[in-house]
Amino acid sequence: LAKTTQPISMDSYEGQEVNITCSHNNIATNDYITWYQQFPSQGPRFIIQGYKTKVTNEVASLFIPADRKSSTLSLPRVSLSDTAVYYCLVGEGTGGFKTIFGAGTRLFVKA
Amino acid sequence: DAGITQSPRYKITETGRQVTLMCHQTWSHSYMFWYRQDLGHGLRLIYYSAAADITDKGEVPDGYVVSRSKTENFPLTLESATRSQTSVYFCASSESLGQYNQPQHFGDGTRLSIL
Repeated sequence: LAKTTQPISMDSYEGQEVNITCSHNNIATNDYITWYQQFPSQGPRFIIQGYKTKVTNEVASLFIPADRKSSTLSLPRVSLSDTAVYYCLVGEGTGGFKTIFGAGTRLFVKA
Repeated sequence: DAGITQSPRYKITETGRQVTLMCHQTWSHSYMFWYRQDLGHGLRLIYYSAAADITDKGEVPDGYVVSRSKTENFPLTLESATRSQTSVYFCASSESLGQYNQPQHFGDGTRLSIL
């Protein structure tokens, strides 16, 4: 199983860029890297997914180095509403579905 | 409305009782999942289903039973509830290509308390 390691928590201020790094040393060739966001009393919500290099959407950017053993979620100019738990997931590859969510990173954005 | 819905949102029951949590999705997604979320553990996969009548165990399946007679429904049953099963339960679904390049869509959860 490709487990992930993330910081337990991070603090930031409104308007700053936040980068959350996830380590996944055992990532397999077929694995994708996916990030989810979870607010209290809600289910996780998909943010972004990538396989290699850089992916950007309207919410975030995902940077993946060539060795793919880590990835960085970048949230530009965070606001108070970005306070949430962020999960990094790495797929096991085709044929298995034992998703490991981990404890995630609790981001707290201050005014 | 399209989406994934869980019911009930809150449930209190006693040890030894059977309880069923319901999950319904309107996208016709092939894959459905059940997770539990406890403090300090993130989300842990209980069971998943690749299609109707196809289910398999996840990380923590003991004490749970699932069925999937219809694509849109994926109920989770605790046959004899224990206090250790007090948790928040999330259902999710994803499209037929599998979860690794198809994101999962989650319901809002069921908060289950077992006294």
